[in-house]
Amino acid sequence: DSGVTQTPKHLITATGQRVTLRCSPRSGDLSVYWYQQSLDQGLQFLIQYYNGEERAKGNILERFSAQQFPDLHSELNLSSLELGDSALYFCASSSRQSATNEKLFFGSGTQLSVL
Amino acid sequence: AQTVTQSQPEMSVQEAETVTLSCTYDTSESDYYLFWYKQPPSRQMILVIRQEAYKQQNATENRFSVNFQKAAKSFSLKISDSQLGDAAMYFCASKPQGAQKLVFGQGTRLTINP
Repeated sequence: DSGVTQTPKHLITATGQRVTLRCSPRSGDLSVYWYQQSLDQGLQFLIQYYNGEERAKGNILERFSAQQFPDLHSELNLSSLELGDSALYFCASSSRQSATNEKLFFGSGTQLSVL
Repeated sequence: AQTVTQSQPEMSVQEAETVTLSCTYDTSESDYYLFWYKQPPSRQMILVIRQEAYKQQNATENRFSVNFQKAAKSFSLKISDSQLGDAAMYFCASKPQGAQKLVFGQGTRLTINP
């Protein structure tokens, strides 16, 4: 167990809908990262937050947004969902701003299916 | 931009044997870090081993070791004494120093034959 908790584990929804994925980092970790894993795109970095502030942005669509709350948990909001958004969404955490010298701890992911 | 390529979609090995997974990368950065992650059927991403590019010595973690060839931009993973629990998808990843994101390869599915 990595200590990173993601809920829900599975999510099935319809096109055009909006969903929220939740992530609780390891106790004491200040950085939260979101990654998307799909069959065609592989693993892609979406966005990183550090202590409540956005620190880096990757291939995140405008329909997607995220935030990190004062208690350090993070939410990834996906709106106007399309079939192609179906993927496994990972959250990861680390204690430093950069994952260079610290292990990046991944959660078990949220499997999103858009029908 | 950094790219990571894993040319072996699937590999298989007999239990207790040794297997090597290949990875090549491309980067214009002088300082960067390389990683191997394991994703078992549970889906969780688990860090297997990491290598700092400025270090010439190859990293080793128990049965896992890497062959880091900086000039060739090659970073292969060797698994010795393969065990059934090693069966998983293995992802090679890179990260420039100072950058936040990991860039992953497409993965290699490793099967262990008993």
